[in-house]
Amino acid sequence: EDQVTQSPEALRLQEGESSSLNCSYTVSGLRGLFWYRQDPGKGPEFLFTLYSAGEEKEKERLKATLTKKESFLHITAPKPEDSATYLCAVQADKLVFGQGTRLTINP
Amino acid sequence: DTEVTQTPKHLVMGMTNKKSLKCEQHMGHRAMYWYKQKAKKPPELMFVYSYEKLSINESVPSRFSPECPNSSLLNLHLHALQPEDSALYLCASSPTSGTYGETQYFGPGTRLLVL
Repeated sequence: EDQVTQSPEALRLQEGESSSLNCSYTVSGLRGLFWYRQDPGKGPEFLFTLYSAGEEKEKERLKATLTKKESFLHITAPKPEDSATYLCAVQADKLVFGQGTRLTINP
Repeated sequence: DTEVTQTPKHLVMGMTNKKSLKCEQHMGHRAMYWYKQKAKKPPELMFVYSYEKLSINESVPSRFSPECPNSSLLNLHLHALQPEDSALYLCASSPTSGTYGETQYFGPGTRLLVL
């Protein structure tokens, strides 16, 4: 069965304190791994798509990496406005989401 | 532009009401999706339209009825809903069927409350 597990469930950091979020997956034939950011009460905002092991993508303070079993979302020197839930999803017959990581950045 | 719009933003309805949610995209995408999201949970797929044909129905109760009038529009008709149907309803679109690793772009959602 296709499965996505994100850790930690919640993470609280001080402003400027870098860290990483984990997304481990089991899927038969990965066709894409996606990272989204979601603010409370709003729709998921697309961040990155990764297709193959070794691939990396960056946007501002965020960097996503992919191996054959997991993906990491690295956050460098975060700011309070980076506070959100970060969702990881893999493309199987349909998009399979993880439970998300709730990130809080304290000023 | 990667914008998907949804109306209304908020909706309150009684269990005997009939209402509709609307979704629109002008990116030329040919696949459109409805998701349901409960608080602190990830989105759950409800329906997929690919080239204006219903391609996936995730065993959703018949009180939810999707409609795709054309490649840019997607509706979700609601009738005789239950309080447990209260949730954030999300629309998304992708270039084609979505099964080949294409990115899905989400709208802002409609917050539905069933009384």
